[in-house]
Amino acid sequence: GEDVEQSLFLSVREGDSSVINCTYTDSSSTYLYWYKQEPGAGLQLLTYIFSNMDMKQDQRLTVLLNKKDKHLSLRIADTQTGDSAIYFCAETGNYGQNFVFGPGTRLSVLP
Amino acid sequence: AAGVIQSPRHLIKEKRETATLKCYPIPRHDTVYWYQQGPGQDPQFLISFYEKMQSDKGSIPDRFSAQQFSDYHSELNMSSLELGDSALYFCASSVGLAGGTGTEQFFGPGTRLTVL
Repeated sequence: GEDVEQSLFLSVREGDSSVINCTYTDSSSTYLYWYKQEPGAGLQLLTYIFSNMDMKQDQRLTVLLNKKDKHLSLRIADTQTGDSAIYFCAETGNYGQNFVFGPGTRLSVLP
Repeated sequence: AAGVIQSPRHLIKEKRETATLKCYPIPRHDTVYWYQQGPGQDPQFLISFYEKMQSDKGSIPDRFSAQQFSDYHSELNMSSLELGDSALYFCASSVGLAGGTGTEQFFGPGTRLTVL
């Protein structure tokens, strides 16, 4: 079945860049997403990338996709304390329907 | 802008009781998804509906059922509740089936169910 993996924890200092990595197994994945979840809150879509793209940039966020290795990364530039949250990678196949989420990476931003 | 509405936001039930969670999608969204997120876990897909018909089924227990109504709102019915059902239940909505056309799912704030 489909599987999405992420490292569970990441700590960075305020002002540094954060890189959160994700690997997936479903080669038919068409869209890959990054969601942010703050404590006790819902899922907030940060960005998504189509599988025929290698990179997408949106302000402080840069998404890199290596489709050959099925590897996705999210880079947050100038990380702030407000970026502390759990970041979920999710993928969906060509006909969508449901998302398969990774376990989430807990990002801690140290002052 | 209107978002996905879920009610109730919090629910406390005893074992073996039943619970009904409601989801009101964003206006003009025709697809609804239900996810279950256990404590410290990633969201797990339960079931989805497109145009009032079940479109996909995930890890939804047989004790649970769901439907989408003519006004596109959806209800998740949970019976014979177990302690392990304690979780955050998210509803999401989209226009058409998410992913196929790059349509994103918009998530509601979730209903936190506690089973005692």
